[in-house]
Amino acid sequence: QLQLQESGPGLVKPSETLSLTCTVSGGSISSSSYYWGWIRQPPGKGLEWIGSIYYSGSTYYNPSLKSRVTISVDTSKNQFSLKLSSMTATDTAVYYCARRNSSHAFDIWGQGTMVTVSS
Amino acid sequence: DIVMTQSPDSLAVSLGERATINCKSSQSILYSSNDKNYLAWYQQKRGQPPKLLIHRASTRESGVPDRFSGSGSGTDFTLTISSLQAEDVAVYYCQQYYSTPYTFGQGTKLEIK
Repeated sequence: QLQLQESGPGLVKPSETLSLTCTVSGGSISSSSYYWGWIRQPPGKGLEWIGSIYYSGSTYYNPSLKSRVTISVDTSKNQFSLKLSSMTATDTAVYYCARRNSSHAFDIWGQGTMVTVSS
Repeated sequence: DIVMTQSPDSLAVSLGERATINCKSSQSILYSSNDKNYLAWYQQKRGQPPKLLIHRASTRESGVPDRFSGSGSGTDFTLTISSLQAEDVAVYYCQQYYSTPYTFGQGTKLEIK
């Protein structure tokens, strides 16, 4: 059964860059049927799509974050990663990684990791 | 960006009764080449990640109880829970994946009356 697990720091200082990794287990990230994505949720608020990546490295990002976001993939480790620069308090959120299936919905999600931006 | 607007923001329904949540998109999310609506519904329980319930507006995900159903087309969509169970207490989100950026509704909080 496919599982996703986010990892990374829970606390980031303002202006620093957040780095998170999503490890895929129970299946291959190199499957041609799927894209992989990052979604975040500020405390008590709704969901915001950050961006997605294909195993080939093809990416697309939310324009509202595009200038600060980089998503990359490492097929040898079955992982994909998120970097978000110039962090501010408004970036405080639970960050989820998820699989986008062939129907284009996000069908499998990680448990999420809480990231707080504070000095 | 396509704006997704859900109504109501919160809803209290008695056990065994019907719950209805609406979702409206700011433009059509019907993909003409395959006549499919690119809309998903998710359920998020407290402290958990979202769970995909329905995709393409009306296709129930494997393992999702058949009391959950989705309907609608174009810009107006509905999630219906035919007989509310205690375990259905959650926040429900609609999401369009017709075009990027993918966008979600603001969520509807469903509680027991």
